[in-house]
Amino acid sequence: NAGVMQNPRHLVRRRGQEARLRCSPMKGHSHVYWYRQLPEEGLKFMVYLQKENIIDESGMPKERFSAEFPKEGPSILRIQQVVRGDSAAYFCASSPVGLAGRFSYEQYFGPGTRLTVT
Amino acid sequence: AQSVTQLDSHVSVSEGTPVLLRCNYSSSYSPSLFWYVQHPNKGLQLLLKYTSAATLVKGINGFEAEFKKSETSFHLTKPSAHMSDAAEYFCVVSDDDYKLSFGAGTTVTVRA
Repeated sequence: NAGVMQNPRHLVRRRGQEARLRCSPMKGHSHVYWYRQLPEEGLKFMVYLQKENIIDESGMPKERFSAEFPKEGPSILRIQQVVRGDSAAYFCASSPVGLAGRFSYEQYFGPGTRLTVT
Repeated sequence: AQSVTQLDSHVSVSEGTPVLLRCNYSSSYSPSLFWYVQHPNKGLQLLLKYTSAATLVKGINGFEAEFKKSETSFHLTKPSAHMSDAAEYFCVVSDDDYKLSFGAGTTVTVRA
């Protein structure tokens, strides 16, 4: 069973361009989470998605950031008009369905995408 | 609100000697606590978790952690370090929620 896959692993964008980060959850997992790690900091929660639904996006910046998890295909984190402050490592995690259809505490993480904005 | 403080940003040990990584947490509830490890260019791997059962938790690769509510601590230990233990370690807390709160990480170096 392959783990959580993220691509690209490294992404360089100029200021003002768009960045698209992809995440394929583990097989059988229907919950996806995105986290951001700024330099010298721990990972910070951004968004929680289930198939075709955004459950909680309270950690996402209000502008320029969006996420989706379509019925088919990977989850996408999209950053429009990137700025230098968006340079960070972005991690995706997935989890199976827990008790009573809720989330599971065990989140399985991908290797991350390191975004550099020049 | 939940938060985590990892008291050491870097720890260096000799192979075969004990490892201690310190973690203090703040939580409004009865928390769930985790330790994750990240090897270079790899995803974060769950080492162990505490979810209100036994306070001494055993994980993979010989690691264990003890939950001490009175000290709000969840320190990670291993009796004998191996070269393969060189990595970054994250202490994580969750207040009965899917939002995991991470510490800033501790980088472990193992000397031959």
